Amino acid sequence: QQQVKQSPQSLIVQKGGISIINCAYENTAFDYFPWYQQFPGKGPALLIAIRPDVSEKKEGRFTISFNKSAKQFSLHIMDSQPGDSATYFCAAWANFGNEKLTFGTGTRLTIIP
Amino acid sequence: DSGVTQTPKHLITATGQRVTLRCSPRSGDLSVYWYQQSLDQGLQFLIQYYNGEERAKGNILERFSAQQFPDLHSELNLSSLELGDSALYFCASSANYRGTEAFFGQGTRLTVV
Repeated sequence: QQQVKQSPQSLIVQKGGISIINCAYENTAFDYFPWYQQFPGKGPALLIAIRPDVSEKKEGRFTISFNKSAKQFSLHIMDSQPGDSATYFCAAWANFGNEKLTFGTGTRLTIIP
Repeated sequence: DSGVTQTPKHLITATGQRVTLRCSPRSGDLSVYWYQQSLDQGLQFLIQYYNGEERAKGNILERFSAQQFPDLHSELNLSSLELGDSALYFCASSANYRGTEAFFGQGTRLTVV
């Protein structure tokens, strides 16, 4: 059972544009939502994270928007650059039970000049 | 550099064999997580150890086992290997058992031939 659904599977954005990746979750026990960035041949690296008590978190060009009632969250990359080309994973962590990071299926982002 | 070290980086072995993957967590981190990443399955949680004790278990096959040693490094043992076990195996570590800020190693690419 996939508890975190991520879309789109792949995304092509022009340089300078806004990249938007969406995730939806089912488990209301999730209380921490990180995004990971993975380059080919490397491990996932924590990019930015949010807790459900805020609706938005911004770090540089990266913003997470969180909608608790809809059980959705999204990553926005402003002024997208070729160096942002990577695979992005959303994830969610529950505060009790089988504690583990549950990952979305990933979005391969390509920024074209 | 995340501070999490995995060895070896690449491993090629035959079906039916047994291999051991090693992970050294970041200094001071007590939790170690193992994930399997394959093309069609994304990042799948296998198992978590916290300060030497098994903390959480995911979809880990009975042919797989892991342990965390007193110096906090961890080993993932894969036995009776099948072609379908070919994947990237990632180790991550975090300071606490909730893994809210988990840092990933660069992975071990296992190829079973």
